[in-house]
Amino acid sequence: DAKTTQPPSMDCAEGRAANLPCNHSTISGNEYVYWYRQIHSQGPQYIIHGLKNNETNEMASLIITEDRKSSTLILPHATLRDTAVYYCIVRVDGGYNKLIFGAGTRLAVHP
Amino acid sequence: GAGVSQSPSNKVTEKGKDVELRCDPISGHTALYWYRQRLGQGLEFLIYFQGNSAPDKSGLPSDRFSAERTGESVSTLTIQRTQQEDSAVYLCASSPGPGLNTEAFFGQGTRLTVV
Repeated sequence: DAKTTQPPSMDCAEGRAANLPCNHSTISGNEYVYWYRQIHSQGPQYIIHGLKNNETNEMASLIITEDRKSSTLILPHATLRDTAVYYCIVRVDGGYNKLIFGAGTRLAVHP
Repeated sequence: GAGVSQSPSNKVTEKGKDVELRCDPISGHTALYWYRQRLGQGLEFLIYFQGNSAPDKSGLPSDRFSAERTGESVSTLTIQRTQQEDSAVYLCASSPGPGLNTEAFFGQGTRLTVV
């Protein structure tokens, strides 16, 4: 699996956009970028994924650079409940697609 | 059920005892994962089942750890001769299949405490 690099922690004010970066400079052409988050004492939760086009769903937006070497997860209006560890994962192609989690970014949303 | 179910939710065991942790995946999901998460740490991959293929056991930390899965249903993670270092939350996840574009759904985990 391609490795990802994320800042260990970030802060965001409630109501503002949270922009979480991820570097994946060795990503292959057929690998997708996935984002999960883990709220304290819960199992991880899927957020969004993409290949090369920007994606948006009810939770977040995913912006992938044209060279696909980095991406940004955007929470447009962060709330206190968005405080969590956010994991950026690059998933290999093929029959075995185990999910390997890195250290993630601990996002703290404050009033 | 509607989601991934794990049991028990909490388990306290004495050092040296064997424990079994159970995971009921979402019906129809062919892929199943086990992870370990120590306090304050990230998710550590343990094992991955995909349909009838041989499981990927590359993450199992020692031969005290083993897991089985019956077809595409229940999985059991067994830890023999537990040690205090085995104390952690054990998380199970399932996903629909081997291809891309398949999100994994996680259970709430089993918190194991070895005393």
